[in-house]
Amino acid sequence: EAQVTQNPRYLITVTGKKLTVTCSQNMNHEYMSWYRQDPGLGLRQIYYSMNVEVTDKGDVPEGYKVSRKEKRNFPLILESPSPNQTSLYFCASQRKSAASEAFFGQGTRLTVV
Amino acid sequence: QQQVKQSPQSLIVQKGGIPIINCAYENTAFDYFPWYQQFPGKGPALLIAIRPDVSEKKEGRFTISFNKSAKQFSLHIMDSQPGDSATYFCAASRGPNSGGYQKVTFGTGTKLQVIP
Repeated sequence: EAQVTQNPRYLITVTGKKLTVTCSQNMNHEYMSWYRQDPGLGLRQIYYSMNVEVTDKGDVPEGYKVSRKEKRNFPLILESPSPNQTSLYFCASQRKSAASEAFFGQGTRLTVV
Repeated sequence: QQQVKQSPQSLIVQKGGIPIINCAYENTAFDYFPWYQQFPGKGPALLIAIRPDVSEKKEGRFTISFNKSAKQFSLHIMDSQPGDSATYFCAASRGPNSGGYQKVTFGTGTKLQVIP
């Protein structure tokens, strides 16, 4: 089954404690992205990757890091989480084509206290 | 800068009604307009999409209307059902002829509730 898998689904952490949210896709897609979803603000792109070792900032990259060492994996790293990073996070993948369908993971609900 | 404005933020209709969600964009370089549907606890999923060379596209009970001159597009759900209750996002990007990765800009979402 074609899917994007995120882990964990839920996470509560304390301010400043480094964390990683994993994302893996099994569709051999070149493009991968991270979004955060907040009430009234919709989906905002954090980072994206066009291929292995190729990443770039989205609209709200501050406080986040990503890496793309393998085509299937695109982890999101919060080196020093703060309460304003409490949000619902989604990973997405797309095949290498403009205007291709974005396939989203199930989401990770992060709470930073 | 919000490049895709979506309204209303929430919408309640009775079963069989026709909810309409509206979106407006600013960037005239956009030429691909997808709609995504998100159920609680799930990620968004592509519902329907339109290119600006047509004014309307139908897929089942879902219809996109597109007004290029006004830079507006809308989603209509005919004969709405309780199972259509979800959050709907409009989006925009540069289309297939642009080449390479094209960022998708999403609207702020509309939470639709269809009551029996």
